[in-house]
Amino acid sequence: NAGVTQTPKFQVLKTGQSMTLQCAQDMNHEYMSWYRQDPGMGLRLIHYSVGAGITDQGEVPNGYNVSRSTTEDFPLRLLSAAPSQTSVYFCASSVRGETEKLFFGSGTQLSVL
Amino acid sequence: KQEVTQIPAALSVPEGENLVLNCSFTDSAIYNLQWFRQDPGKGLTSLLLIQSSQREQTSGRLNASLDKSSGRSTLYIAASQPGDSATYLCAVQARGSQGNLIFGKGTKLSVKP
Repeated sequence: NAGVTQTPKFQVLKTGQSMTLQCAQDMNHEYMSWYRQDPGMGLRLIHYSVGAGITDQGEVPNGYNVSRSTTEDFPLRLLSAAPSQTSVYFCASSVRGETEKLFFGSGTQLSVL
Repeated sequence: KQEVTQIPAALSVPEGENLVLNCSFTDSAIYNLQWFRQDPGKGLTSLLLIQSSQREQTSGRLNASLDKSSGRSTLYIAASQPGDSATYLCAVQARGSQGNLIFGKGTKLSVKP
């Protein structure tokens, strides 16, 4: 059982480039989310989804897009990368969101030059 | 706005010592509180989840308590070991948040042999 899988593990971008961070889970979880972790700021929620076809914004959504076409996948798109988006990105999932443990992927370390 | 604070930010103890990590939150209207462990360069692993109706949860040498009325939780680690060295994060799930968590900034624990 792979759990939550994130790719790539590391990525370097130039300012203005776009890219997609991939997240997949094989636990049939309805709830999926993206967080970013910055030194001194803790983890902050970017976007989340409570099921296929349903997405919503979190605390820091600007500059990011998401879609949820299947239960398994929840990609995060950076439209035009900026140095302020240098961070570690984590994808997480749970069965129903409320009252359930959250399972995290191993993270993507992104640097924008 | 819900805020989660963890004190201390860092803690160093000798092996074998019992220790307590603290977490406080400003809004008592929560569904649950989770304690996570994060190893360097890795994702988060859920250790314990306490529902709002519960007072405590135990797993092996770990015991987490919740006092919702005072907005406090503690994570007690008995007989600490060097393998316990990691960053411990506390997170609350607010009512109506659909599964989204608000994280503290963590306590970095170092257990010396």
